[in-house]
Amino acid sequence: DVKVTQSSRYLVKRTGEKVFLECVQDMDHENMFWYRQDPGLGLRLIYFSYDVKMKEKGDIPEGYSVSREKKERFSLILESASTNQTSMYLCASSFTYYEQYFGPGTRLTVT
Amino acid sequence: AQSVTQLDSQVPVFEEAPVELRCNYSSSVSVYLFWYVQYPNQGLQLLLKYLSGSTLVKGINGFEAEFNKSQTSFHLRKPSVHISDTAEYFCAVSEGNAGNMLTFGGGTRLMVKP
Repeated sequence: DVKVTQSSRYLVKRTGEKVFLECVQDMDHENMFWYRQDPGLGLRLIYFSYDVKMKEKGDIPEGYSVSREKKERFSLILESASTNQTSMYLCASSFTYYEQYFGPGTRLTVT
Repeated sequence: AQSVTQLDSQVPVFEEAPVELRCNYSSSVSVYLFWYVQYPNQGLQLLLKYLSGSTLVKGINGFEAEFNKSQTSFHLRKPSVHISDTAEYFCAVSEGNAGNMLTFGGGTRLMVKP
């Protein structure tokens, strides 16, 4: 079974803090994704990566950056957290872009 | 550009009743279609997918969906739901080449009551 793990299930940070969300997959997938999930809006793609050190912006990249130094690990970085970044963050990985395997999510609250 | 509309944000239903969750998409090219399920406090899990071939697709847990190209729909159905089907369901579309990402609908929360 594919396993995608995320470093934290719940996280509370203060406005202005730098926040790191980590994702690890164990299936040697080339592609990894970060989404945010908000009620009524579904999932929106923040960034994705198709190889080590490669990244592409998704639909809502503003305020976020990513890092992929190893194939199995994809990090999402909030340089200066703001309250409007309070959300559920989901990581996914895949061989194809469309058949994705998701982690359990990190619920981030910024106060 | 592709977009996905899930027409119902919440669907309450009694246990053992049938259910249909509606999904419509817009795209100018051929598409791949998916339904994902998210159980409480979990990530998304692939329920079923349409890539090509038969327009009636069967998935896990007794769910099925039918691709209707003329109506640009991909509705999800189950003839008899269980309490354990209570979850949020997401329809997603990918335009028909490997270079395109998934676009998700807003989700439908299925609430199965005893």
